[in-house]
Amino acid sequence: EAAVTQSPRNKVTVTGGNVTLSCRQTNSHNYMYWYRQDTGHGLRLIHYSYGAGNLQIGDVPDGYKATRTTQEDFFLLLELASPSQTSLYFCASSDAYVYEQYFGPGTRLTVL
Amino acid sequence: GDSVTQMQGQVTLSEDDFLFINCTYSTTWYPTLFWYVQYPGEGPQLLLKVTTANNKGISRGFEATYDKGTTSFHLQKASVQESDSAVYYCVLEEGNYKYVFGAGTRLKVIA
Repeated sequence: EAAVTQSPRNKVTVTGGNVTLSCRQTNSHNYMYWYRQDTGHGLRLIHYSYGAGNLQIGDVPDGYKATRTTQEDFFLLLELASPSQTSLYFCASSDAYVYEQYFGPGTRLTVL
Repeated sequence: GDSVTQMQGQVTLSEDDFLFINCTYSTTWYPTLFWYVQYPGEGPQLLLKVTTANNKGISRGFEATYDKGTTSFHLQKASVQESDSAVYYCVLEEGNYKYVFGAGTRLKVIA
């Protein structure tokens, strides 16, 4: 069964802090995604990637960096966290041609 | 850019009621359309997808028809159960494996 894991599951930081969210997939999928989920907005795409070393800009990229180090691992970096980045973050993976995304359990980030 | 509109923020029904969740989309081409479902404490999961205009997708008693003429992809179920309580997202693949989610519709089914 497809598996996407995220760590940490919960994170609290202060304004200006440095945060890294991690995602690993064991599906051998090409594509990986980072979304944020906020009430009234659904899921919004931050960044995505189609392979190691590749990065594509999503719809809400400001204040976020991302890096895909291997086919399995995709990281989201907040170098100067702000309260507006308080949200529930989901990672997903998918394979070309299948058009199904598999989501992780989410990371709840609070920026004080 | 492409967009998806779900106007119903919340729907409350009783068991065995008919479910209808409205979804319209805006794009300049023929996208693949999806419904995802999210249960409390979990990530979204695929409910159904339709890749071809004017086709219908069916899964777990839910169905949705890709209507290119009205640019709609409404979700229906004849008889809901309490276990169907969840958030439902209409999703569009806008090309290059990039996905656009609607705002979501929270369904609450009362036993």
